[in-house]
Amino acid sequence: EIVLTQSPGTLSLSPGERATLACRASQNLTNTYLAWHQHKPGQAPRLLIFGASTRATGIPDRFTGSGSGADFTLTINRLEPEDFAVYYCQQYGRASWTFGQGTKVEIK
Amino acid sequence: QVQVVESGGDLVKPGGSLRLSCAASGFIFKDYYMSWIRQAPGKGLEWISYISSSGSTKDYAASVQGRFTISRDNAKNSLYLQMNSLRVEDTAVYYCVKGYPPESWGQGSRVIVSS
Repeated sequence: EIVLTQSPGTLSLSPGERATLACRASQNLTNTYLAWHQHKPGQAPRLLIFGASTRATGIPDRFTGSGSGADFTLTINRLEPEDFAVYYCQQYGRASWTFGQGTKVEIK
Repeated sequence: QVQVVESGGDLVKPGGSLRLSCAASGFIFKDYYMSWIRQAPGKGLEWISYISSSGSTKDYAASVQGRFTISRDNAKNSLYLQMNSLRVEDTAVYYCVKGYPPESWGQGSRVIVSS
């Protein structure tokens, strides 16, 4: 099983600032099958990024995914009030999918 | 628009069984992988199982292997999760999700396993 480790656990920022979230895999991900999902309390999660860097339909360009191999990053430029949520990375390239433990982006 | 709607969540005793259903609409169901993902109270997301578009390929997380069975009926645009030998730690909100990668999530169905 591929283990995904996200850091930091919590990020305290103000609207307008940049958020940088990290996701490290326990082994290289072939085909960069790495996704990022946003989850707000009481709502369905939302796919933001797939293939490490491709934005899903309707996702604003302030969300940017990057990385390859075992190290991946989600950058959120100019945080909007609706961006405060929990973010999960997920690998879907091997038989058993796995999620990271999540990074909470909270208002400072 | 794409919709996936879960149903069947309930309160069940440890050792009991439950079947979750997911009704899909707004897309060609038979063309897509489908999966179940859950979130236990206060915890993160946990992938449970996926099934290929035809139903010929399935996979399960180790935590549910041998107890849960995923299936689909493409004629009915429906996905199912049969859960047997339920444990307290299976308590969670269960999400039905379309796609590979998972791209469209339902609102979830709550399962509580408690005596």
